Amino acid sequence: AQSVTQLGSHVSVSEGALVLLRCNYSSSVPPYLFWYVQYPNQGLQLLLKYTSAATLVKGINGFEAEFKKSETSFHLTKPSAHMSDAAEYFCAVSAPGNKLVFGAGTILRVKS
Amino acid sequence: SQTIHQWPATLVQPVGSPLSLECTVEGTSNPNLYWYRQAAGRGLQLLFYSVGIGQISSEVPQNLSASRPQDRQFILSSKKLLLSDSGFYLCAWSKGQSWEQYFGPGTRLTVT
Repeated sequence: AQSVTQLGSHVSVSEGALVLLRCNYSSSVPPYLFWYVQYPNQGLQLLLKYTSAATLVKGINGFEAEFKKSETSFHLTKPSAHMSDAAEYFCAVSAPGNKLVFGAGTILRVKS
Repeated sequence: SQTIHQWPATLVQPVGSPLSLECTVEGTSNPNLYWYRQAAGRGLQLLFYSVGIGQISSEVPQNLSASRPQDRQFILSSKKLLLSDSGFYLCAWSKGQSWEQYFGPGTRLTVT
């Protein structure tokens, strides 16, 4: 069965510092992988997706993620954090039946 | 372009009362539709999934039910609410065989 583990339920960075949010997945078939962002009391917005093309995926708002099959990882990064990046981030893996399995989420705090 | 609507945005209901949450999608036909519940700090739990009118799959046994009376309308219901039904309810849609899901703004339900 598919599963996602997001390491660190809370991550705190200073404004201008590197953002690194970790995601490891388990899948019995080649996966599609997604990162979503959620601002307080809002729905989820797709940041980026991996669909078996390029392993380095660029998304919106300067975020990118790299698919590493050997490490079963899909970590999300951004070179320089902005205050507006403060939100909760979810990693998700594809599952049979056009479903997604989500991780528990990581809350990103950006300090000024 | 496609849009997804949910209402109401917030709802406070007493224990034992009925529930009806509505989700509608515009700008596409025959979407796959999903209901999720998000409890604080616990990620997203898939509740129901539908590939067409009248076709509902339940992911977890619970106090809730879902219906799809029209192609782009998805309704979440309960006959008698429990305290444990409190949470943030999200509707999402996807198209065809795609795993990419698009989320609505959510409904915050508080059962008192």
